[in-house]
Amino acid sequence: NAGVTQTPKFRILKIGQSMTLQCTQDMNHNYMYWYRQDPGMGLKLIYYSVGAGITDKGEVPNGYNVSRSTTEDFPLRLELAAPSQTSVYFCASSKGRTGELFFGEGSRLTVL
Amino acid sequence: ELKVEQNPLFLSMQEGKNYTIYCNYSTTSDRLYWYRQDPGKSLESLFVLLSNGAVKQEGRLMASLDTKARLSTLHITAAVHDLSATYFCAVDGGTSYGKLTFGQGTILTVHP
Repeated sequence: NAGVTQTPKFRILKIGQSMTLQCTQDMNHNYMYWYRQDPGMGLKLIYYSVGAGITDKGEVPNGYNVSRSTTEDFPLRLELAAPSQTSVYFCASSKGRTGELFFGEGSRLTVL
Repeated sequence: ELKVEQNPLFLSMQEGKNYTIYCNYSTTSDRLYWYRQDPGKSLESLFVLLSNGAVKQEGRLMASLDTKARLSTLHITAAVHDLSATYFCAVDGGTSYGKLTFGQGTILTVHP
């Protein structure tokens, strides 16, 4: 049982480049989320989705975009990368009944 | 805006001792979660607390929730080295499950 899978695990970007962080889950969860974690801090919600075709902004959405064309996949797009986007990104999913999140292993992004 | 504060932020304990981590939050919620994170790793769900007075125990850890005081505690009994990690509480203050606001985290180090 794979759970939540994120790729890539590590990436270095130059300022102004774009990239997509991939996230897929095999638990048939309707709810999916993207969080970022800065060093020594808690997690902040970037975007979330309550089902295929439905997405909404979280606390820190600027500079990011998402889409949800299937239940399984929830990619996060970074446009025009900036040093402030250097962070560890976690994708998570939940059934929705209890709200308990299941996290992926994280994607460590550095923007230079 | 929902704020979640943990204290202490750093906790150095001797093996065998007891201690409590506190999690205060600023607005009404009856859904609170505790997660554990090992260095460089993802977050692992420890406890899901879904009502006032909820108490959950797993091994040497016990979590409780007082929604009237807007306070959750994570009590550690007879600490062992394997408990060394960062512990986060997270509160769901919204109408959609999983839109969690995280505390800053408590870095726990257990010494022999």
